[in-house]
Amino acid sequence: KAGVTQTPRYLIKTRGQQVTLSCSPISGHRSVSWYQQTPGQGLQFLFEYFSETQRNKGNFPGRFSGRQFSNSRSEMNVSTLELGDSALYLCASSNRGEETQYFGPGTRLLVL
Amino acid sequence: AQSVTQPDIHITVSEGASLELRCNYSYGATPYLFWYVQSPGQGLQLLLKYFSGDTLVQGIKGFEAEFKRSQSSFNLRKPSVHWSDAAEYFCAVGPFSGGYNKLIFGAGTRLAVHP
Repeated sequence: KAGVTQTPRYLIKTRGQQVTLSCSPISGHRSVSWYQQTPGQGLQFLFEYFSETQRNKGNFPGRFSGRQFSNSRSEMNVSTLELGDSALYLCASSNRGEETQYFGPGTRLLVL
Repeated sequence: AQSVTQPDIHITVSEGASLELRCNYSYGATPYLFWYVQSPGQGLQLLLKYFSGDTLVQGIKGFEAEFKRSQSSFNLRKPSVHWSDAAEYFCAVGPFSGGYNKLIFGAGTRLAVHP
């Protein structure tokens, strides 16, 4: 099976812009979770989607949003970018009945 | 509150030496525990996991970990380190009530391997 894929891999934006990141889960996986990784805060949970519904959300401002499509692909959006949003954004997928999460390679976002 | 502590930020070992990376967790029930490894610029690769049963679990790349409930620990070990093991290692706990797939990660331990 192909692994989790994320596009784009690298992105440069300027403050105030918005960005959309995409994640395609492992075939058959219905849960997609997003994490932000920064040197200062480490790995932090953003949100999880299952069957097109957000099931859980981390402690992030409303500028961070996401959605999931009927084919389980997920996107996350960050509006009004701030310098502090520069990070590696990781997507992970899992089966509903299996709690192991498998991660993609990440999208590295740089906000200038 | 649930949390994971990895006391060692950096560890340096010589190639061929044994390795133990420490992980302590705080969780109200029997946790699901994971070790992931991250090479520079890459995502996280699952090394091993503990859900229940035998407290000594084997993973990929020759790694193993032992769950000790009394010490709230889940330390990662490898008997002989290879230069390719240089990476950052993350311990994680989850998911939480309702089966929601939320992992809480430790801060990570960066492993350097001397030839």
